[in-house]
Amino acid sequence: EVQLVESGGGLVQPGGSLRLSCATSGFTFSGYSMNWVRQAPGKGLEWISYISVGATTIHYADSVKGRFTISRDDAHNSLFLQMNSLRAEDTAVYYCTRDDCCLFDFWGQGTPVTVSS
Amino acid sequence: DVVLTQSPLFLPVTLGQPASISCRSSQSLLYSDGNTYLNWFHQRPGQSPRRLFYKVSKRDSGVPDRFSGSGSGADFTLTISRVEAEDVGIYYCMQGAYWPPVTFGQGTKVEIK
Repeated sequence: EVQLVESGGGLVQPGGSLRLSCATSGFTFSGYSMNWVRQAPGKGLEWISYISVGATTIHYADSVKGRFTISRDDAHNSLFLQMNSLRAEDTAVYYCTRDDCCLFDFWGQGTPVTVSS
Repeated sequence: DVVLTQSPLFLPVTLGQPASISCRSSQSLLYSDGNTYLNWFHQRPGQSPRRLFYKVSKRDSGVPDRFSGSGSGADFTLTISRVEAEDVGIYYCMQGAYWPPVTFGQGTKVEIK
């Protein structure tokens, strides 16, 4: 069974940092591209970052470019999102998602991030 | 960026009756490989989104056959033939043809009348 389990969310002050993790199981992690998608309270879905197999290609949404860094550890079947210079508008539930041919076939349960003083 | 516009944004439905949601794109989602990369997702209250369809009409595993996806080019529809109580929630379309960025529609909230 494919499982994606996010962790690392919490309350952080504006300008602070957090590192999100996504532990995966039930599939060959190294063979899949992965993404982070977020959802602000009461709002829709926003894609924020992509990392390919082997981390050879990485993309970011303009809203997080230069502040967030996606990475992966294939030896430990894990995906990460380092978030720096956090803003109030980064408050959201953050989901990791797996890519098959066509994007986002499996989602984790999400980890909430609140940026507030 | 590709803009996806869903309608309606709120859809009250009667149990056992059909329902449909439209998703229109600002440009054709037909990619150069011949595929059209339009997905549909369902998010129940308090849950993560779940993909229902990819490439317009390819049903994901476990999705009931009362759901169908259709359309081409820039005009797509998600149809529920007979709404059941478990179908409530928010439905999103998403395009993966021209990215980054991946873009989603605004979401359509389905509730039982």
